[in-house]
Amino acid sequence: VMTQTPSSSPVTVGQPASISCTSSQSLVHSDGNTYLSWLQQRPGQPPRVLIYALSNRFSGVPDRFSGSGAGTDFTLKISRVEAEDVGVYYCMQGTHFPYTFGQGTKLEIK
Amino acid sequence: EVQLVESGGDLVQPGGSLRLSCAASGFTFSEYWMHWVRRAPGKGLEWIFSLNGDGTTIIHADSVKGRFTVSRDNAKNTLFLQMNSLRAEDTAVYYCTREDCSGGFCKKFEYWGQGTLVTVSS
Repeated sequence: VMTQTPSSSPVTVGQPASISCTSSQSLVHSDGNTYLSWLQQRPGQPPRVLIYALSNRFSGVPDRFSGSGAGTDFTLKISRVEAEDVGVYYCMQGTHFPYTFGQGTKLEIK
Repeated sequence: EVQLVESGGDLVQPGGSLRLSCAASGFTFSEYWMHWVRRAPGKGLEWIFSLNGDGTTIIHADSVKGRFTVSRDNAKNTLFLQMNSLRAEDTAVYYCTREDCSGGFCKKFEYWGQGTLVTVSS
């Protein structure tokens, strides 16, 4: 089970934001990697993976997004929120089947 | 350019069936694990199926066990989701996504389709 907080986060443009995700079990895979991803879903759009394997950004993802954590506790940080960051953010674990998602955090601009 | 295009979503009555397709292009389809993920209205994302490159390994969520099946036609670069005994709670946008393994990491889901809407209602 992935427990994600907060469920919503009103943030002022230019200010930081942080989302937490806790797993009920360790997400360290037998290959030594931690398969925790962070996804963004804007309204009407498919999910977009921002961070994979705990802390790696895909090409094209702004460096204001960063992932951290270990074992069972993980965090997505946005250093300076921009208006385009509005959407729902999910953590997802791919270490154990069934793959599971957090409940989602709705990021809104104040 | 990698592209994934889902199709087949429709309005269907409870108990009915539907077959979704995910047409892939821009990569060697048979070399990749493919997955189905759905998002019900007002709810979060739910992983439902994983299928390896040659279709011999299938892993599914309990919520679709015995009702949905997944397959692929590597000659036609297409992934399928056969949905039977549909319920109202299966109403969702269904996405296919490709899993990448490179640079020492797997479980990289960089490419997603736009999704196809399935509505189960009488």
